[in-house]
Amino acid sequence: GEDVEQSLFLSVREGDSSVINCTYTDSSSTYLYWYKQEPGAGLQLLTYIFSNMDMKQDQRLTVLLNKKDKHLSLRIADTQTGDSAIYFCAEDSSASKIIFGSGTRLSIRP
Amino acid sequence: GAGVSQTPSNKVTEKGKYVELRCDPISGHTALYWYRQSLGQGPEFLIYFQGTGAADDSGLPNDRFFAVRPEGSVSTLKIQRTERGDSAVYLCASSRLPLAGGRNEQFFGPGTRLTVL
Repeated sequence: GEDVEQSLFLSVREGDSSVINCTYTDSSSTYLYWYKQEPGAGLQLLTYIFSNMDMKQDQRLTVLLNKKDKHLSLRIADTQTGDSAIYFCAEDSSASKIIFGSGTRLSIRP
Repeated sequence: GAGVSQTPSNKVTEKGKYVELRCDPISGHTALYWYRQSLGQGPEFLIYFQGTGAADDSGLPNDRFFAVRPEGSVSTLKIQRTERGDSAVYLCASSRLPLAGGRNEQFFGPGTRLTVL
């Protein structure tokens, strides 16, 4: 069945890079997504990658996709306190349905 | 423009009661989705509307859950005979018409936190 897995917690020092990893199971996914959820706020689409791409860079964000291993990662360069949030990896299993992982809580140490 | 809005933001009810949760999508978005997010989990798909009709309701957990979108805009999620296990944040999202093979960018509302005592 469809499943998206990611580690629950990550703690990094301010200014370092954060790398959040995810594995998924549906090889037919067309797009893979990273969403950000801050306390009291809705889910925000952070970035996405088309399944035929290996890498996508968007300012401080780098998404790497290993389709063979069904592994997706999000790297945040120069992590800031404002990056503290829960990050969800997600895949589109159909035109309608997005499957989310359980989320990785990113905390920033001074 | 205005984003997706949901009312109420919080709802506390007693076991066995009926509740309705409302979603106002972004104007012009034909697709509307309901998700449920339990504590410590990611959003779980419930139902998808294309216009007025439910195109995919495979995520509804049982027949106590029902959703409508009579005019193709506002949607209401209805839960009958609520149980404590229904406690969660119910998220609504909307998007433009998702095309087969196209990117489905869903815009999420802030959610309704439902607590069943």
